[in-house]
Amino acid sequence: GAGVSQSPRYKVTKRGQDVTLRCDPISSHATLYWYQQALGQGPEFLTYFNYEAQPDKSGLPSDRFSAERPEGSISTLTIQRTEQRDSAMYRCASSSGPRADTQYFGPGTRLTVL
Amino acid sequence: QQPVQSPQAVILREGEDAVINCSSSKALYSVHWYRQKHGEAPVFLMILLKGGEQKGHEKISASFNEKKQQSSLYLTASQLSYSGTYFCGTPSGVSNFGNEKLTFGTGTRLTIIP
Repeated sequence: GAGVSQSPRYKVTKRGQDVTLRCDPISSHATLYWYQQALGQGPEFLTYFNYEAQPDKSGLPSDRFSAERPEGSISTLTIQRTEQRDSAMYRCASSSGPRADTQYFGPGTRLTVL
Repeated sequence: QQPVQSPQAVILREGEDAVINCSSSKALYSVHWYRQKHGEAPVFLMILLKGGEQKGHEKISASFNEKKQQSSLYLTASQLSYSGTYFCGTPSGVSNFGNEKLTFGTGTRLTIIP
């Protein structure tokens, strides 16, 4: 696609529910990143993929968080048993490769856990 | 290990100049700069590589002093469109050369008034 897209743009859920967020990167991009961004703060790294491989998931806050990119294109971020502290903007970014200069960010998914 | 930016916020009149600083507690091989307008995704501005080379974008330039582990962003003759929050980002992946894991700084909110 022309840019990085994410869906849904907004998600409101109740504590304890599972949520899945989707990221569709720029079509030629090998590398895909997930970030969590709190209001007024910079993006905080969660995990990244090179094609379908996931070399680094050190930023995932707990084992309730998981991400997949099974075919090396679209990726999903799943949060199980959501908690109120999970409320944040979740941003996806993609780049042509892990050493590429530019990361292109998507519009984000605003998650609110009630 | 989050880079520290200063100032936290600055208000300028259109046409004035500003400097935003980014300091790291660890050795740096590169520094990335992003701008995020309110309600939008971060957008890549430039990357500074080891060697102190200055780069430019519009009337925005930056320098990188790897010995001091610092980078500075210079905005000259600021325009209304420069308003936003500026983040520096430093690689913190295993290789330190790849950009697979960026740690973003504390952010500097820039407001340009007519």
